[in-house]
Amino acid sequence: EVQLVESGGGLVQPGGSLRLSCSASGFTFSSYAMHWVRQAPGKGLEYVSAISSNGGSTYYADSVKGRFTISRDNSKNTLYLQMSSLRAEDTAVYYCVRENSGSYYFDYWGQGTLVTVSS
Amino acid sequence: QSALTQPASVSGSPGQSITISCTGTSSDVGGYNYVSWYQQHPGKAPKLMIYDVSNRPSGVSNRFSGSKSGNTASLTISGLQAEDEADYYCSSYTSSSSWVFGGGTKLTVL
Repeated sequence: EVQLVESGGGLVQPGGSLRLSCSASGFTFSSYAMHWVRQAPGKGLEYVSAISSNGGSTYYADSVKGRFTISRDNSKNTLYLQMSSLRAEDTAVYYCVRENSGSYYFDYWGQGTLVTVSS
Repeated sequence: QSALTQPASVSGSPGQSITISCTGTSSDVGGYNYVSWYQQHPGKAPKLMIYDVSNRPSGVSNRFSGSKSGNTASLTISGLQAEDEADYYCSSYTSSSSWVFGGGTKLTVL
């Protein structure tokens, strides 16, 4: 069974940093591109960042470019999102998402971890 | 990348059919057959319902169907059931090699 379990969320002050982790199991992690998608309270889904299966290619939405860094450790089956210079508008539930290997869609989602940026 | 346009809300009675539209541009919805739809119940993670415009993953009811015409994709739910009440989001792959979501549609089963 595919499982994606996020951790690392919490309360952080504006300007602060936080690192999210996503532990993957039930599939060959190193064979899949992975993504982060967020959802602000009461709002819709927002695409945040992506990383290729081998970590050699990354993508960032303009809203987080230069502040967030996506990475992965295939030996630990873990995806990361390092967030810095956090702003109130980064407050959201952050989902770890697996991209289907055969096409362009998200077939498995984690349960999410809440990040709250507030003083 | 601007969000895809969805109606904020739709409603229908049990047994009826409803359709949710998702309008983008030639750089996303119109340019690729990579539109997907996700269902999200309150407090839960999104769940894949349709991929590649009209394909259903294993385990998803055949009451859910998808289509596309030009820059607009559609999700149709037939034989509405109370359990279908949820938020629905469309998503498309884009010419920027990224993804974009719609703003979401709240489905109310009357």
